[in-house]
Amino acid sequence: EVQLLESGGGLVQPGGSLTLSCTASRFTFSNYAMTWVRQAPGKGLEWVSSISASGGSTYYAGSVRDRFAISRDISKNTLYLQMNTLRVEDTAVYYCAKGSYDYVWGSYLDYWGQGILVTVSS
Amino acid sequence: QSVVTQPPSASGTPGQRVTITCSGSSSNIGSKTVNWYQQLLGTAPKVLIYNNNQRPSGVPDRFSGSKSGTSASLVISGLQSEDEGDYYCAVWDDDLLGWVFGGGTKLTVL
Repeated sequence: EVQLLESGGGLVQPGGSLTLSCTASRFTFSNYAMTWVRQAPGKGLEWVSSISASGGSTYYAGSVRDRFAISRDISKNTLYLQMNTLRVEDTAVYYCAKGSYDYVWGSYLDYWGQGILVTVSS
Repeated sequence: QSVVTQPPSASGTPGQRVTITCSGSSSNIGSKTVNWYQQLLGTAPKVLIYNNNQRPSGVPDRFSGSKSGTSASLVISGLQSEDEGDYYCAVWDDDLLGWVFGGGTKLTVL
């Protein structure tokens, strides 16, 4: 079965940076779009960013555009989320999710990781 | 305020039928397919319905989805206690160029 394992979370001060990783296994990573979704404590799901299978197309929520960067390394089967200028409101569990197709907009998220907590606090 | 709206709560007794709605606009539900995700307490979300009305393998046929115009619905027939959790609709928005999730509906089995 598909496995997605997030890492890199933790406590960071406002204005700081953090990079999340999502290591994928048991599927051909290079063939599928990937997405990050977050969930603030006690809140609903919020889409953060997506990347196409080739990496040629990236998309960002307005709340993170110009601060976050999504990327993927096919050789390492790993998805990344570089997060800069972090704010208290970025505090959330971040989920990595696999798309059902190689492109983003028509995919649904068919597998999800267990999530990793990012806490932004002084 | 989410671009796509769901009722914050729903409830029913075991065996009942429950409907959760998702209302959007022409830039999302009106032109794109809707997916539904289930999140049980303390777990990661999982896809329940995709492409408006398709069930992944392993999802019971008690769960069904439909779409009409700029609204979509998730129907749970024969409600069971293990269905208690949060349900989210999600759809691509052509204006925002991103996914939009509904605010989520907390389902309680009485």
